Order: sequence, then C-alpha cells, then structure tokens
Amino acid sequence: GAVVSQHPSWVICKSGTSVKIECRSLDFQATTMFWYRQFPKQSLMLMATSNEGSKATYEQGVEKDKFLINHASLTLSTLTVTSAHPEDSSFYICSARRQGSGNTIYFGEGSWLTVV
Amino acid sequence: GQQVMQIPQYQHVQEGEDFTTYCNSSTTLSNIQWYKQRPGGHPVFLIQLVKSGEVKKQKRLTFQFGEAKKNSSLHITATQTTDVGTYFCAGRSSEKLVFGKGTKLTVNP
Repeated sequence: GAVVSQHPSWVICKSGTSVKIECRSLDFQATTMFWYRQFPKQSLMLMATSNEGSKATYEQGVEKDKFLINHASLTLSTLTVTSAHPEDSSFYICSARRQGSGNTIYFGEGSWLTVV
Repeated sequence: GQQVMQIPQYQHVQEGEDFTTYCNSSTTLSNIQWYKQRPGGHPVFLIQLVKSGEVKKQKRLTFQFGEAKKNSSLHITATQTTDVGTYFCAGRSSEKLVFGKGTKLTVNP
C-alpha cells in the first residue's frame, strides 16, 4: 500500500528555536498534502492544505508566519515551526492524497514535538 | 464552516458485545472516511464511503453512509480486545477532510 514517511518521529527543542518536520510520499506522487495537529486525547485539527508549487492554504486561527509550509516537490512537504514555544508542543501529523484509487488519503506516522 | 460531530466520545464494552459510533456532518459530504488510531499510533485508514445509502463490511465491521450523505456509522459486532483504539470519521465536502472528535473504545476481556 501507499506509504507516507514523516521525520522526525520525536523532537525536543528549546523555546525560541525553529524545528522542521518532513513529510514524504514514498511510492506515489502527492499534489496535495495536509498538516494536522493533535493534542492529547483530542481529534486531529487541520492546520493547512499544501499544494505542490503553490502557497499553502491555512485554516482559520493558524498563524502562517509561525507554521511555515513548503511543498517543493510532488513527494515532499515540510512544516517548520518557527520560534517555538512550549504551547506548540503537540503531535503533528501529515497526510498525502493519492490521486486515483478514490483519492484516498494516507497518513504519516506523526511527529511528537516537545518545546522546553 | 463544515463541522463533523461524532458520538459517543467514549465507549467501554465487555468483550463480545457490539459497538457503534455515529457521525453527523453539518454539510452534505462527497465522501466519508473512517480511521482507527491505536494509543500512541497514527490514524490508519479503514474505509471510504461515497454513495448515498452505501453499506460496506469488513469482517466484523459494518460501515454505513446515510441517504442524505450527511451521516455515517461504524458498527463492530462481537468486539475483541484487538478492537481497542479511537475511531475517527472524516468527512470531505471539498478539498478538506474534517475529522470528528473520535470515539475511544475500550474492551474489557
């Protein structure tokens, strides 16, 4: 089946620093990728929709200057959390839409971010 | 904006009992997807329903999509301990996939 790889799985960073999370579709091209955030025991909240070669579309309330999304190729999207704060600590997960096959969406394994 | 409501939030059953979770969307959906997330894991795609009134089965799991394409249900017959996890529905009406809050299922052996 389709595989989406997300890296890193775990990251700890200091307040004020930036951290980049990568999302790759390994065996298919993904023109659209999605970034979600999940707080403990809560649902997945869509942060932004990333389209290859164009600017990401951010959901209401998500700061685009803080959560930088780049979708430079058909297999890679990155999320950079800039000037991270402890309240940014969360589980970040990406998904990629595989065209054809009913446009099924496949999720990456997720990245746990802890800001200290 | 589009909202997807899912109930119940928690469900605890004895092994062998049945389990059902329900989703309702504020808007008509083009399709609805169901995911299972084990504790500490990532959501795993289970199934996608597209047609009005569609019913699909996967072993002990039965998925239904309402006639108006605004609601859906997942029913598990004779639960097993391996069924534990959080079940999410996700409805799509355009490019976005909006998730319900999930139903956390625990099964007592």
